[in-house]
Amino acid sequence: QKEVEQNSGPLSVPEGAIASLNCTYSDRGSQSFFWYRQYSGKSPELIMFIYSNGDKEDGRFTAQLNKASQYVSLLIRDSQPSDSATYLCAVYGGSQGNLIFGKGTKLSVKP
Amino acid sequence: GAGVSQSPSNKVTEKGKDVELRCDPISGHTALYWYRQSLGQGLEFLIYFQGNSAPDKSGLPSDRFSAERTGGSVSTLTIQRTQQEDSAVYLCASSFVANNEQFFGPGTRLTVL
Repeated sequence: QKEVEQNSGPLSVPEGAIASLNCTYSDRGSQSFFWYRQYSGKSPELIMFIYSNGDKEDGRFTAQLNKASQYVSLLIRDSQPSDSATYLCAVYGGSQGNLIFGKGTKLSVKP
Repeated sequence: GAGVSQSPSNKVTEKGKDVELRCDPISGHTALYWYRQSLGQGLEFLIYFQGNSAPDKSGLPSDRFSAERTGGSVSTLTIQRTQQEDSAVYLCASSFVANNEQFFGPGTRLTVL
């Protein structure tokens, strides 16, 4: 059973700080990794994807992938109250073609 | 349209009734996915279409659930003889091709009384 694990939180950071969200996955063969943001009562919104080891930056967001450690993370710099949401890590599950999601980390950014 | 659309946005039904949920993917996206999210729970995969074909239906929770996709575009998810445990948000996503980034629709909130 392929699994994606995330700390459920809540993770609380002050406004302007760096928020660090972490995710581990069980399938060593996984190739594609995604971070979604989900506001309460809304559907998931894709914010980052990463396929290669290393860092990928997009604005205030940086995704980091370490395939050897089966670890992917998301850094949010200069966190804003509007970043308060649940962040979902997802990995492609393979033969079924679906994404396998972690249960999400709830982030709270305090003004 | 610009994004994935789903209808209805909300559906309240009585136990035992059939419901049909619709998904219209992003134009040009060949892959379409159905998930559901129960209150406070993670996303549960239901079924995936590549074109009009669903290679694997084993994610559907019971034989009361069925899905089809016609013309490589719109998909419908049908739940027969609904039960209270079917209450959830049903999410549809699409991607340009399989294993690409998936984009979600707004979801259909199903409540079975």
